[in-house]
Amino acid sequence: EVQLLESGGGLVQPGGSLRLSCAASGFTFSSYAMSWVRQAPGKGLEWVSAISGSGGSTYYADSVKGRFTISRDNSKNTLYLQMNSLRAEDTAVYYCAKASRYYGSGSYGYYMDVWGKGTTVTVSS
Amino acid sequence: AIWMTQSPSLLSASTGDRVTISCRMSQGISSYLAWYQQKPGKAPELLIYAASTLQSGVPSRFSGSGSGTDFTLTISCLQSEDFATYYCQQYYSFPQAFGQGTKVEIK
Repeated sequence: EVQLLESGGGLVQPGGSLRLSCAASGFTFSSYAMSWVRQAPGKGLEWVSAISGSGGSTYYADSVKGRFTISRDNSKNTLYLQMNSLRAEDTAVYYCAKASRYYGSGSYGYYMDVWGKGTTVTVSS
Repeated sequence: AIWMTQSPSLLSASTGDRVTISCRMSQGISSYLAWYQQKPGKAPELLIYAASTLQSGVPSRFSGSGSGTDFTLTISCLQSEDFATYYCQQYYSFPQAFGQGTKVEIK
């Protein structure tokens, strides 16, 4: 069974840092791209970041570019999100998701087929 | 970036109803569209990918259609467990994006 388990959330002051982890099991981790998605309280889903299976390609939302860093350790089957310079608007539940590949009209796209339960990040003084 | 407009934001319906949710893109994305269901306090779950392909285990009352800029999620016969919030997502290009969500509530 494919499982994703996030950890590392908590309360942090504005300007602080936090590192989220996502432990994966039940699939060949290095063969899949992975993503982070967040949801602020009472709001919709916001895509945050993605990383290729090898870790060689990374992508970010404009709202976190330059502050967040996605990475992975394929030897540990673990995905990370390093979050620096945190702001109140970063307060959210953060989900990691396994991304499956779809080949349509000439290129690959990655949709999220398995999600973790999420970890809560609160940025407040 | 690709902008998405999902409508309606709130849909009131009864068990047994046929409901449709729309998602419109600011530019063509071929069939690179997914639909997710989210229940309160839970993680989203994938319903449909590639605009119309049903994820394994998802009931056949769910269907997706469309290509290019206009997409639709249809629930043919609403069941009690279908009252939830639904999101579309484009994965044609980065940055990926979700629609604003449609809450399906009991009328």
